[in-house]
Amino acid sequence: GENVEQHPSTLSVQEGDSAVIKCTYSDSASNYFPWYKQELGKRPQLIIDIRSNVGEKKDQRIAVTLNKTAKHFSLHITETQPEDSAVYFCAATGDFGNEKLTFGTGTRLTIIP
Amino acid sequence: EAQVTQNPRYLITVTGKKLTVTCSQNMNHEYMSWYRQDPGLGLRQIYYSMNVEVTDKGDVPEGYKVSRKEKRNFPLILESPSPNQTSLYFCASSLGVKNIQYFGAGTRLSVL
Repeated sequence: GENVEQHPSTLSVQEGDSAVIKCTYSDSASNYFPWYKQELGKRPQLIIDIRSNVGEKKDQRIAVTLNKTAKHFSLHITETQPEDSAVYFCAATGDFGNEKLTFGTGTRLTIIP
Repeated sequence: EAQVTQNPRYLITVTGKKLTVTCSQNMNHEYMSWYRQDPGLGLRQIYYSMNVEVTDKGDVPEGYKVSRKEKRNFPLILESPSPNQTSLYFCASSLGVKNIQYFGAGTRLSVL
């Protein structure tokens, strides 16, 4: 089955700097890669996703890049703000017939004012 | 208001006492799933359902059962809970696995 590895497990950045979180996946058939943000005590919420037919997707300060050859994808947050502090999870799911959603172990991002 | 509702939010029980955590969604979603969240292990999918009467194992199904008799409901059943099932549980629903997963507020379970 699919295995998703996420790094780093914790990340601290100065406010205004950029943050990058990386995930690798094992199943070459995986073709959908969402990112979820979980604030302290809250439920996870989708912040951005990418499908395997594109290499990059942006939404304001957030972007995700996908390298299918290397089987890794990354979350980029620019101009970080205190409200970006949270735990971020990447996930992957495969082709038709494999409806599991496999998450990474999470990255705790702390923005230092 | 579109929502996924889990009950109870908090539960303390003892080993071996059967329990059910309910999950209901009002968005007419076909895909529903259960996750457990443990420190350092992230979110792990327990079971998922693609539609009524269609359920399948996720990555950590041992010790759990589910049913999907109606589209809106997807209860999680622990027939004989053990301490290693102490965790934070989330139910989620979506149009499909490759769509936004809407999570419930979570159920914190302690098995003594």
